[in-house]
Amino acid sequence: GAVVSQHPSRVICKSGTSVKIECRSLDFQATTMFWYRQFPKKSLMLMATSNEGSKATYEQGVEKDKFLINHASLTLSTLTVTSAHPEDSSFYICSARTMSSYNEQFFGPGTRLTVL
Amino acid sequence: SQKIEQNSEALNIQEGKTATLTCNYTNYSPAYLQWYRQDPGRGPVFLLLIRENEKEKRKERLKVTFDTTLKQSLFHITASQPADSATYLCALSGAGSYQLTFGKGTKLSVIP
Repeated sequence: GAVVSQHPSRVICKSGTSVKIECRSLDFQATTMFWYRQFPKKSLMLMATSNEGSKATYEQGVEKDKFLINHASLTLSTLTVTSAHPEDSSFYICSARTMSSYNEQFFGPGTRLTVL
Repeated sequence: SQKIEQNSEALNIQEGKTATLTCNYTNYSPAYLQWYRQDPGRGPVFLLLIRENEKEKRKERLKVTFDTTLKQSLFHITASQPADSATYLCALSGAGSYQLTFGKGTKLSVIP
C-alpha cells in the first residue's frame, strides 16, 4: 500500500517552455502532498506543501508564479515549471501523506528535468 | 538556523557487519525523526519513524535510537548485505507540522 507515482520520469525540454509533472497516490487518498527538488549530492529541499482544494504553501525563496502547483483531487497534484531555464534542471520528487499516517511521507519515484 | 548533519558522506562496510549511521541536529527540537532509504535516481523510501519520547525502535534488521539530550540519532543495520547499499537520509519534523527537513544523506556501500 501507499504507492505514489510520478509522470513523466524523465523530461528534456527547451529553454522557455513549460513542463507539467503529475503526482498520483495510487491506493490511498492523500490529504497533503509535498513537492521537493534535489540537486546532485544535496539533500531534498521542500518547495511547497499542497492540500487538496486549497492553494499551495510555498517555501521561502520558491517563486509561486514559476512553479505552479495544482491539487485538484485527493489523488492528484501537478507541478508546472513555467518558462523553464537551464537552472531549473533538477530532480523533482513529490510525496504524500495518508489520512492515517503519523508523520511519514510516501515518495514518488521522481522526475528528472533537463532544460537545454 | 536549523541544521541537520549526517556525519559521513560515505560509509563502506563488509558484508555481515553492522552498519551504524549518525544524524545530528542543532537549533531544533524535533517531535519526530525518520530514516529513509534512497537509491540512485529514485525517490526516498520510508524506513522507520521514532518519536521524541522514544529511545529506540526496531524493524527486522534495522534499529534506530533517538537521544534528545545529545541531539542525535543512530541508525543501525545488522548483518548488512550488498542489497543494503544505498543512500540513507535522516529527516526531522516538529510537533504539529508534517513538513520534513532532510539531511544530506550517507551513502552506504556493503562490500561482499
